[in-house]
Amino acid sequence: NAGVTQTPKFQVLKTGQSMTLQCAQDMNHNSMYWYRQDPGMGLRLIYYSASEGTTDKGEVPNGYNVSRLNKREFSLRLESAAPSQTSVYFCASSPPGASTDTQYFGPGTRLTVL
Amino acid sequence: KQEVTQIPAALSVPEGENLVLNCSFTDSAIYNLQWFRQDPGKGLTSLLLIQSSQREQTSGRLNASLDKSSGRSTLYIAASQPGDSATYLCAATSGSRLTFGEGTQLTVNP
Repeated sequence: NAGVTQTPKFQVLKTGQSMTLQCAQDMNHNSMYWYRQDPGMGLRLIYYSASEGTTDKGEVPNGYNVSRLNKREFSLRLESAAPSQTSVYFCASSPPGASTDTQYFGPGTRLTVL
Repeated sequence: KQEVTQIPAALSVPEGENLVLNCSFTDSAIYNLQWFRQDPGKGLTSLLLIQSSQREQTSGRLNASLDKSSGRSTLYIAASQPGDSATYLCAATSGSRLTFGEGTQLTVNP
């Protein structure tokens, strides 16, 4: 099993550009999450998806959209990137029946917006 | 709203030293408290999870304690090794959310 994979690993954007961060898991997990990690602020939840076809806002959803098209994949889209979105983005997933605390994390995508 | 704080932000120790990392949380109504390890360029790996009804958990050289009444948790690392160098994050589970602290960057010098 590859676990949770994220692409790309690094990305540089100009202000106003759009892009989609991809996340996939091969563990048959139901719940998936997107976090951002900023220096001195820990991880903050952007969006989460309890199951295929459902998504909910987290703590910092503004400026982002998500898509859960199937059980494996959960993508995060920046429609018009801003420098404030420079961060490291982590995707995570939880097994069926597990509580929120049982999350498996991907390696992260380091995004810089100029 | 739950807030989680970690002190210190960074710590450098010589190999073999015992050390303590601190975590505090504002809302004592938590389900559990979890400690993660994060290596550079990698995701987070769960180290220890303490249920709200427990006082501590141990795994090898790691011991985590929880005091809900004071809103504090500590991670004790015995006989530190260079391989322990990483960022350690604590996270409190309350409701349906994990709330993370800022992390402590630990460097163990040979």
